Amino acid sequence: DSGVTQTPKHLITATGQRVTLRCSPRSGDLSVYWYQQSLDQGLQFLIQYYNGEERAKGNILERFSAQQFPDLHSELNLSSLELGDSALYFCASSVGTVTGELFFGEGSRLTVL
Amino acid sequence: DAKTTQPTSMDCAEGRAANLPCNHSTISGNEYVYWYRQIHSQGPQYIIHGLKNNETNEMASLIITEDRKSSTLILPHATLRDTAVYYCIVRGNGGTYKYIFGTGTRLKVLA
Repeated sequence: DSGVTQTPKHLITATGQRVTLRCSPRSGDLSVYWYQQSLDQGLQFLIQYYNGEERAKGNILERFSAQQFPDLHSELNLSSLELGDSALYFCASSVGTVTGELFFGEGSRLTVL
Repeated sequence: DAKTTQPTSMDCAEGRAANLPCNHSTISGNEYVYWYRQIHSQGPQYIIHGLKNNETNEMASLIITEDRKSSTLILPHATLRDTAVYYCIVRGNGGTYKYIFGTGTRLKVLA
């Protein structure tokens, strides 16, 4: 158990819909990272937050947005969903912003029909 | 952040040492080398990291060349449960905060 909690574990929805994925980092970790992993693909970095502020942005679509709240949990919002958005979405946390290992959650599997 | 190059796949016999190479020829002096692995579709798991000295923990050993342009992750006695995708990442101070995973090496441990 990494200490990072992601909900929901599985989600099935239709094209055009909007979903929210939630991540609770390990106790004491200030950084949260979001990654997308499509079937048999590598991990694509989406975005990173540190103590509520956005610190780095990767290949995140404009239809996607994220935020980190004062209690340090984070949410990833995916809107106008398309079939190609079906993927595993991982959240990871770390203590700092640059160095230090990442601890990953078990992921949220999104299926768009 | 420096880029890394890893072989796409490797096989290793169970009980033997698995040596996974990584090339990071553009690494800068303040960048660390990290290794993670991902088993099936589970969340990636941290293995080890180092700056310039060789490192060892309960999971693996990390050997970094003197010029720091390459490194090798060693699993001393591979088991079937070590079958996974192994990612080598270079990151550190002065970077852009992005924690980029490449395509990794798919290690298959054979019985």
